[in-house]
Amino acid sequence: QTVVTQEPSLTVSPGGTVTLTCASSTGAVTSGYYPNWFQQKPGQAPRALIYSTSNKQSWTPARFSGSLLGGKAALTLSGVQPEDEAEYYCLLYYGGAQLVFGGGTKLTVL
Amino acid sequence: EVQLVESGGGLVQPGGSLRLSCAASEFTFSSYAMSWVRQAPGKGLEWVSALSGSGGSTYYADSVKGRFTISRDNSKNTLYLQMNSLRGEDTAVYYCAKHYSSSPKNVDVWGKGTTVTVSS
Repeated sequence: QTVVTQEPSLTVSPGGTVTLTCASSTGAVTSGYYPNWFQQKPGQAPRALIYSTSNKQSWTPARFSGSLLGGKAALTLSGVQPEDEAEYYCLLYYGGAQLVFGGGTKLTVL
Repeated sequence: EVQLVESGGGLVQPGGSLRLSCAASEFTFSSYAMSWVRQAPGKGLEWVSALSGSGGSTYYADSVKGRFTISRDNSKNTLYLQMNSLRGEDTAVYYCAKHYSSSPKNVDVWGKGTTVTVSS
C-alpha cells in the first residue's frame, strides 16, 4: 500500500518562511506524480493551491510556491500571514489513476 | 464561476446503500474528469474514486472497490456515487472535485461536501 508522508505539524512566525514536504513510500517524487497542494481551514472544504508541482491556481497568493526538493514535493510559504494557519494536504498521482493524499500538515502561525 | 454542489448524504444503517450526487455548473462538464474524496471526522482526506470525462474509465481506492460505483450523466451535468454495503468506516464528509482535464490528475475545484453517517 502506497503511503504519502507529510510533517504532522509545523509552527512559523508571522512574516517568516516555512517549507512543507510530501514524500512517497515508492521513492523519489517527480513531476510525473503531478503533485498538488490544498489548504483546508476548520469547517471548510479544501481549496486548491498548487498543481503539477509548481503551477498556481488563479486565486493562489504569490507567497505560496511549489517545487521538488530532495526527492519530495514541497510547498513554501514566504512572508506567512495569520490567515495561512490551516491544514495543508498534498496529493500524488500514481499510474493507473490511483491518487493518494498525504496525511496533512497542521500549520500554526504563532 | 465553476460550482459543484453535493447532495444525498444522510444517516444509513450498516450494510445499507446511499447514492450521492454532485451537480456541476459553469463549465463543460463532459470535458473533465471528476473525483469523489472523503474525510472521516477529525481525519485527513482520502481519495475514493475517479471517472474520466467521457465516463469510459473508472478508478477506485482499494477501500471501496466492489462496494462503490462512480458514474456520470453528462446530459444532466451530474456526477454520482452509488455506495453499497456501507460500513462504519465509510462515515465521512464526501466531496466531489473537478480535475483539470479529462484525465484524473490535477484538481482545481471542490464542492462543499455532503455528510454520510453509517450507524445503527
